[in-house]
Amino acid sequence: GDSVTQMEGPVTLSEEAFLTINCTYTATGYPSLFWYVQYPGEGLQLLLKATKADDKGSNKGFEATYRKETTSFHLEKGSVQVSDSAVYFCALLKNTGNQFYFGTGTSLTVIP
Amino acid sequence: DAGVTQSPTHLIKTRGQQVTLRCSPKSGHDTVSWYQQALGQGPQFIFQYYEEEERQRGNFPDRFSGHQFPNYSSELNVNALLLGDSALYLCASSLLGVGSYEQYFGPGTRLTVT
Repeated sequence: GDSVTQMEGPVTLSEEAFLTINCTYTATGYPSLFWYVQYPGEGLQLLLKATKADDKGSNKGFEATYRKETTSFHLEKGSVQVSDSAVYFCALLKNTGNQFYFGTGTSLTVIP
Repeated sequence: DAGVTQSPTHLIKTRGQQVTLRCSPKSGHDTVSWYQQALGQGPQFIFQYYEEEERQRGNFPDRFSGHQFPNYSSELNVNALLLGDSALYLCASSLLGVGSYEQYFGPGTRLTVT
């Protein structure tokens, strides 16, 4: 079945460090891929998205490229800030419906 | 422009009871989806409502039911509560068709079953 696998957390980084959170997916067809962020006590916020192979989503310094050949959508940021501390979820949406499949989330803590 | 709102914020129920959670979609949206997020897990899709009908359903038992009203707001009902139903319940709204892939999430309702 359709699924998303994220790297296990938690991840702790120093401010200005480089961030990579790995995400791979399993799906038939051509899903759209997303990264959502969840701050403590809040709902999910869309961070970025890519709707077809080789698309790059970007927002607030975060980037992810839709790689169909490796079924991956890794999240990267060149220099993290303390305010980036949150839980990050990778998700896919099949083009046959509106059901999202989420990964288990990766908790990121950035220390000054 | 109000985003997605959910009520109540927190709820404590006893096993076997029934609960109703409420959601108002973002202005202009016509579709509501419900998700269950257990502690430390990603959200799991429960079902989606469009035009007052259940359009799609995830792998949840019939104890989970819903409703959508003419103003697009929605309710999630859970009967015969189990301890395992303790979770954060998220509502997301979208506009079916163009742009429907962008779902806006509410802050959630934290349900605790004792």
